[in-house]
Amino acid sequence: QKEVEQNSGPLSVPEGAIASLNCTYSDRGSQSFFWYRQYSGKSPELIMFIYSNGDKEDGRFTAQLNKASQYVSLLIRDSQPSDSATYLCTPRGTSYGKLTFGQGTILTVHP
Amino acid sequence: GAVVSQHPSRVICKSGTSVKIECRSLDFQATTMFWYRQFPKQSLMLMATSNEGSKATYEQGVEKDKFLINHASLTLSTLTVTSAHPEDSSFYICSANRGRSTEAFFGQGTRLTVV
Repeated sequence: QKEVEQNSGPLSVPEGAIASLNCTYSDRGSQSFFWYRQYSGKSPELIMFIYSNGDKEDGRFTAQLNKASQYVSLLIRDSQPSDSATYLCTPRGTSYGKLTFGQGTILTVHP
Repeated sequence: GAVVSQHPSRVICKSGTSVKIECRSLDFQATTMFWYRQFPKQSLMLMATSNEGSKATYEQGVEKDKFLINHASLTLSTLTVTSAHPEDSSFYICSANRGRSTEAFFGQGTRLTVV
């Protein structure tokens, strides 16, 4: 079983809409998660880090973590074409910096 | 934020030759760096953990004799792809953490094409 499963994409939303990206995880020991964004041909860049149950907001981005349901999500409000990228959910893990990535979810925001 | 610089950004080499990729932490010391590989339309796969002053730790299935890693200083790790073949063509990315910070800082990546 994969460590994390992300909702299958690609996900297409119109400009200005809310994009919802979801991730479920199997290891109950996972305590915190990163959301990275990766543009085509580029390296990943950190969007959010969440370690507490509930919501964490940063600008147009809101990460949600539900440890009981083993579920983490990322909401992007007022989606822009520049948000079009692959979004990667990954647990922090026990080794600092050592990350395991899944396939990610490809998001396309169309004008 | 911290900066990790990777060089070169693109390289084309002939089959059978070796290619060296550098990963530098510009404003912090990194005792540990990580090397990933990403094939087109696939996820990043961790290749190895580079440890300053000691041998790298390779993930299962990664040939340590083919992918040589040297972490000779606290700011530099190098990945050498030896006797490269077309199937080694990929996007290679390094990352580093500053101390025990939660964030991994990624280099810009190196697009390797073996012809």
